[in-house]
Amino acid sequence: SAVISQKPSRDICQRGTSLTIQCQVDSQVTMMFWYRQQPGQSLTLIATANQGSEATYESGFVIDKFPISRPNLTFSTLTVSNMSPEDSSIYLCSGGHVPETQYFGPGTRLLVL
Amino acid sequence: TQLLEQSPQFLSIQEGENLTVYCNSSSVFSSLQWYRQEPGEGPVLLVTVVTGGEVKKLKRLTFQFGDARKDSSLHITAAQPGDTGLYLCAGEETSGSRLTFGEGTQLTVNP
Repeated sequence: SAVISQKPSRDICQRGTSLTIQCQVDSQVTMMFWYRQQPGQSLTLIATANQGSEATYESGFVIDKFPISRPNLTFSTLTVSNMSPEDSSIYLCSGGHVPETQYFGPGTRLLVL
Repeated sequence: TQLLEQSPQFLSIQEGENLTVYCNSSSVFSSLQWYRQEPGEGPVLLVTVVTGGEVKKLKRLTFQFGDARKDSSLHITAAQPGDTGLYLCAGEETSGSRLTFGEGTQLTVNP
């Protein structure tokens, strides 16, 4: 198994600013993903964080809005850029060696005013 | 993207009752997972089913993968208040590169 931590756990931000969320895994993992979730609802995949190369984004998500870094096999960051109230959500990272076994972080709760 | 339909969306029952949550798709998945999520936390993996027709039991929880690997069910026997949470099914797409999540079932077990 893997233990995943995220920072910050929550934040309140002003529109037009950017926030970088950090995801740290306690062991090396092959795959890392970033998701968005409204409370009580399903998870929407934002992108696959690729180690040493550009992230792979899902339809509706672009690198300019959600730049992602993954410098090694245990760490990734997601930046939410030029935020608007519509970006208010829970942002989750996950990690694992295979898609069918993913461990999730506790999430970052973002409120944009 | 392969789609997963999960039902019911909301379920409120009394302690001791049984319940079943369904996860259906028109697509074949390589595997299917069930997660449980509590408020303020990330989803926690309960089980992975891989083989068509597979049945796995985890204490009072029974998970089944359909023969055609397009659907799955989660059955909870004698539900307890501690079972309250958001239950999510997720399928590994046949491309093997990511998970697709169902819409989730918010379960409330009343004492």
